[in-house]
Parts: sequence; C-alpha cells; structure tokens
Amino acid sequence: EVQLVQSGAEVKKSGESLKISCKGSGYSFTTHWIGWVRQMPGKGLEWMGIIYPGDSDTRYSPSFQGQVTISADKSISTAYLQWSSLKASDTAMYYCARQGTETSLDYWGQGTLVTVSS
Amino acid sequence: QSVLTQPPSVSGTPGQRVTISCSGSSSNFRANYVFWYQQLPGTAPKLLIYTNNQRPSGVPDRFSGSKSGTSASLAISGLRSEDEADYYCAAWNGSLKVFGGGTKLTVL
Repeated sequence: EVQLVQSGAEVKKSGESLKISCKGSGYSFTTHWIGWVRQMPGKGLEWMGIIYPGDSDTRYSPSFQGQVTISADKSISTAYLQWSSLKASDTAMYYCARQGTETSLDYWGQGTLVTVSS
Repeated sequence: QSVLTQPPSVSGTPGQRVTISCSGSSSNFRANYVFWYQQLPGTAPKLLIYTNNQRPSGVPDRFSGSKSGTSASLAISGLRSEDEADYYCAAWNGSLKVFGGGTKLTVL
C-alpha cells in the first residue's frame, strides 16, 4: 500500500528555522516525483515545487523560489521542506503528494500544520 | 488570483446532477491534461479525475470529467451528502502545477 506519512504539527516563532518531512512507503521512492502544496487557513491549494528523489532534481514555483528549500534523502525514502527564517505568513497546512499515474498527484500525505507566531 | 478559474460555490439537492467548471488560458489548458481533486472537510486532497476524464480505482462512476479547448468540467450525478467538499481543478504549465481557486459544493 502506497503511503506518505508527514511529520507532526509545529508551532514556531518568526525568524526560526524549520524542516518538515514526508516519508514514502509501499512503492519505489526514487522513481516518482514528490511535490509540496501549501494551503493557508481557509484558502485554496498552492503549488510550491517538486523533487525527483532519484537524483534530487528540484523545480520551484516562482512564488516560492528562494523562500523554501525542497530536498530528499533517498536512503530513508523521505522528502523535506524547510525554511531558514519563518514568517507569520508561513502559517499554513503543508501537504506532500506523489506524482504518479499520468502526472497526477495520486497519493497525498496527511498534511503538516505549521503555525508561526510573531 | 488563480490561473484557472472556478466558481466559488455550487449547490444541489440529493440525487441531482451538478457541474463545476474550470477555465484556463491556452498555455496551460489547450495542450495539457486536466485533473480534479476532492478535499473533504478537514482532510487532505484526493485525486478524483486524471487526464481530463479518467477515474482512479475506487472513485465512483458518478464522477466524470470532460475538457474542450480551454474549458473543463467536473460532473457529479446522483448527488450524495458525502459529496459535500471543496473541488479543485489543476493542470501543468511546464513543471509548474497550477490549481483553480476551488469550488465549495454544498448538498442542500
């Protein structure tokens, strides 16, 4: 069974750093892109970027380029999303998703809620 | 503002058929597949339709998708209370995934 399990909720202060994770299982982690999606409170889905764990090829949405870093450790089947200096506006739910059948996002993690206080 | 445009809300009564529209510009729509995702309250999104009109295993055939030119639609027939959710269309624009703003479906 394909699963993406994300790390737990985080409460941080502005200016702090953070790295959240997404662990894949039940499939070949190195041969499927993993994407990250932001959902701010009460808002829609926003594409942040995507990584190919096989060679760490990474693409960012222009809106998030330079704001976050996407990485992966294929030895433990885990993708990451990190911030070096959080802002209150980073408060959101963050989802990872596998790019699968015909480039669809066919499996999703349960989401990680990040709350940043100023 | 989303590149793909959806109505903010639609509603219907149980048993009814409803459609949700999604319109985009030629750069991301005309040559590319459309996907639909369902997000039930308090849960992660779920793939509902891929490549314009294909349903993943387990998605009821009450859900159907179509695309023509720069517009796409999601149709839900035999509406049920458990269909109440947010629905998002999406497409690829190069390596950038673009989502519609989402449509909230209310079952009256």
